[in-house]
Amino acid sequence: GDSVTQMEGPVTLSEEAFLTINCTYTATGYPSLFWYVQYPGEGLQLLLKATKADDKGSNKGFEATYRKETTSFHLEKGSVQVSDSAVYFCALSENTNAGKSTFGDGTTLTVKP
Amino acid sequence: DTAVSQTPKYLVTQMGNDKSIKCEQNLGHDTMYWYKQDSKKFLKIMFSYNNKELIINETVPNRFSPKSPDKAHLNLHINSLELGDSAVYFCASSPSGQGGGYTFGSGTRLTVV
Repeated sequence: GDSVTQMEGPVTLSEEAFLTINCTYTATGYPSLFWYVQYPGEGLQLLLKATKADDKGSNKGFEATYRKETTSFHLEKGSVQVSDSAVYFCALSENTNAGKSTFGDGTTLTVKP
Repeated sequence: DTAVSQTPKYLVTQMGNDKSIKCEQNLGHDTMYWYKQDSKKFLKIMFSYNNKELIINETVPNRFSPKSPDKAHLNLHINSLELGDSAVYFCASSPSGQGGGYTFGSGTRLTVV
């Protein structure tokens, strides 16, 4: 079945540091890939997505590239801010499974001033 | 206008009670979901409905019963609540097809005492 493996957390960075959160996936078909962000006390919000190989999703300074050859979708940001502190989830969705998304376990990011 | 709204936001109840959580979306999406998030932030799908039809029913105790009166609403009723049911329950919706991603509600924090 489908699965998503995320880099284990928690991750603690200083403000303006470079961020990478690794995500790899296993899927039978050609999934769409997503990153969601969950701020404390809130629901998940879609951060960015990519629907086919080599697509790059980007939003709010974050970006991730759909790499079919390495089955990866790593999240990056060049300079993190304290306000980026949150839990980040990688997810995939396959057309064959009624739109159901499979989520990674989440990575908690804390950015210190 | 809130896109996916859940009520109540907090629910504290005693073991053995029956409770309901309501969800409504105004995005015109065809598919709605219930997810459970435990204390470690792990997300687990419970149910999915497409145009009022149940399409995903994961291994969930039959004390949990979803109901979708129309495609904009998906409610969750829980009978005979147990301590282990304490979690945050998220409603989400998505358009047809795999590429749209989910829109989540803000969650219902259920505490069973």
